[in-house]
Amino acid sequence: EADIYQTPRYLVIGTGKKITLECSQTMGHDKMYWYQQDPGMELHLIHYSYGVNSTEKGDLSSESTVSRIRTEHFPLTLESARPSHTSQYLCASSRFAGGGEAFFGQGTRLTVV
Amino acid sequence: DQQVKQNSPSLSVQEGRISILNCDYTNSMFDYFLWYKKYPAEGPTFLISISSIKDKNEDGRFTVFLNKSAKHLSLHIVPSQPGDSAVYFCAAKTTSGTYKYIFGTGTRLKVLA
Repeated sequence: EADIYQTPRYLVIGTGKKITLECSQTMGHDKMYWYQQDPGMELHLIHYSYGVNSTEKGDLSSESTVSRIRTEHFPLTLESARPSHTSQYLCASSRFAGGGEAFFGQGTRLTVV
Repeated sequence: DQQVKQNSPSLSVQEGRISILNCDYTNSMFDYFLWYKKYPAEGPTFLISISSIKDKNEDGRFTVFLNKSAKHLSLHIVPSQPGDSAVYFCAAKTTSGTYKYIFGTGTRLKVLA
């Protein structure tokens, strides 16, 4: 069982609010990822990190930002939420540079009203 | 440009029969492939993977086949069970350079009792 946790599981918030989605893993993985998924669509990579103080933007442009101050923690922040940010956000981590799977958290379903 | 494609959005199979889910990729640099299973409002869970040096990998009821020349892989589930009903995502990555997992759009499998 993967030890990667996301909070909150569900969030309904008003337009213009600042939000932070939390992601923590206890596996000591260097690599962490944030994906965004809408129903019926693929998982789009929006941010990834190779280790502490390393963050990169993913393939899908996102207005969110991330930080990696500690190995186990990879929070995602939206400074001003908009209805277009409504989506499911999935955090993942992996150990190996080569093969090996990524482990996912349970996701955060964000609704901006 | 979608690098990993799952052209069948849905599939229905009778319990006990074989389920075959297909995936195509375009990037010849991909050398590691994975299948994930996802329930609504949950994160994906890893099922099985295959390295490009192999053409088949088996784990219990799940077998993944890789045809590198056709840039095609498939997941076989035998026998299918009602609990297998979920969305299945194909993913691919390179084992050098970046460590990003690129996902397809998913195939919704329904196993009928």
